[in-house]
Amino acid sequence: QKEVEQDPGPLSVPEGAIVSLNCTYSNSAFQYFMWYRQYSRKGPELLMYTYSSGNKEDGRFTAQVDKSSKYISLFIRDSQPSDSATYLCAMSALRDNYGQNFVFGPGTRLSVLP
Amino acid sequence: DAGITQSPRHKVTETGTPVTLRCHQTENHRYMYWYRQDPGHGLRLIHYSYGVKDTDKGEVSDGYSVSRSKTEDFLLTLESATSSQTSVYFCAIRGRANSPLHFGNGTRLTVT
Repeated sequence: QKEVEQDPGPLSVPEGAIVSLNCTYSNSAFQYFMWYRQYSRKGPELLMYTYSSGNKEDGRFTAQVDKSSKYISLFIRDSQPSDSATYLCAMSALRDNYGQNFVFGPGTRLSVLP
Repeated sequence: DAGITQSPRHKVTETGTPVTLRCHQTENHRYMYWYRQDPGHGLRLIHYSYGVKDTDKGEVSDGYSVSRSKTEDFLLTLESATSSQTSVYFCAIRGRANSPLHFGNGTRLTVT
């Protein structure tokens, strides 16, 4: 079993839909959770950064962490064609001081159709 | 792009030749990283640096070396490029412990 699992998609939705992107993980030591958006031929761009369980909202984006289920989600409301990209989840443990143990999901490719 | 510049953006080279990729940051961040991204594997850590002249190996370090002589520059060298090193290489930086990574826009390397 991989440390982080993420459905690679592709996921196609109509403009205006609510999108749900998910990752599951196996390491209970993970405390920090991130979502990155990556456009074609660009680097990953940080979207959301959360610590421990709960919800965090930023505009049309909501990140949700359920540590008891080892499951994280990213919701995109009112999706736009400009949201078409690959979304990567990432996580790290509390004592990863040098940052050498970030673990990334393989990414979900999202297409929002006009 | 969080003040990160990678050069070159694209490179084609032949098997057996040495290649150096450069990452330059203007954020004065302590931590710097080199990742490679391949289909089916996601992002994998090659080497990282936690200060000037302080570097260590990541998950996929074989065939790669790094150097950091200044805070702002982190170099990745392929001593003798192989076709398996064809990939997209990303540099990332981080300012302090328990903060997220910020990535550059990558170098697309093709080894023929």
